[in-house]
Amino acid sequence: AQSVTQPDARVTVSEGASLQLRCKYSYSGTPYLFWYVQYPRQGLQLLLKYYSGDPVVQGVNGFEAEFSKSNSSFHLRKASVHWSDSAVYFCVLGSSNTNKVVFGTGTRLQVLP
Amino acid sequence: DMKVTQMPRYLIKRMGENVLLECGQDMSHETMYWYRQDPGLGLQLIYISYDVDSNSEGDIPKGYRVSRKKREHFSLILDSAKTNQTSVYFCASSPGTANTEVFFGKGTRLTVV
Repeated sequence: AQSVTQPDARVTVSEGASLQLRCKYSYSGTPYLFWYVQYPRQGLQLLLKYYSGDPVVQGVNGFEAEFSKSNSSFHLRKASVHWSDSAVYFCVLGSSNTNKVVFGTGTRLQVLP
Repeated sequence: DMKVTQMPRYLIKRMGENVLLECGQDMSHETMYWYRQDPGLGLQLIYISYDVDSNSEGDIPKGYRVSRKKREHFSLILDSAKTNQTSVYFCASSPGTANTEVFFGKGTRLTVV
C-alpha cells in the first residue's frame, strides 16, 4: 500500500529565512513524487516532480526537493522565502503501475513579514 | 490554454436534495478524478475515470456516483445529500499515466444544511 506522511501540519517562518517542509513516503515499487502548492481559494498547482535520476530536482519560484531512497523522503526546500509563499503544500506519491496518486495531509506555511 | 473548469464554485443545498457537480477539461486527458478536501485530511479520492464510461471507485465512494459520457466532461452526483458531505470538491485530469502532472480545477465549495 502507498502512503505519504507530512509530519508538520503548520510551519511558520520569517520572510527571508530558509525553509524545509518534510515528506516521508511508503511504497515498495518505484515512486513518482510531486510537490503541489495550494493558494487560498485555488486548486493545486505543480511545484516540481521527481521520477528518476538526479535526486535534487528544481521547481518553480526557487523551490527544490531532494529524493532519498534510503530515508524514503522527499523534502521540499527553499533558500529564502517570500510572504507570497504562504500557502498549503502537498506531497504526492504516484505509483508505477496505476493511475492513482496519494496525497499527504498538507503543510500550511505561514511566512511572517 | 490548459484548463480544468468546475461549475459551480459555490453551492448550498438542503439535506436530502440531489447535487450535480460538473467538470470539464480542454486537454483531451484520458484520466479524470474527483477528490474532496477536508481540514486535516488532505485530498481523498472519490472516483477515478480512465475514459468514457470507464469509472472506478476511489477511497471514499459511498454516497457518490459519477458520469462520464464525453472525454472532456466528468460529473459527480450526490443523490440525497447529507450534511457530512459538506466539503470542497476538486476535479482533476491527467494524460493517463502515474508519472505525469495532474491538473486541478479551482474547486467547488458545497455546503449541505
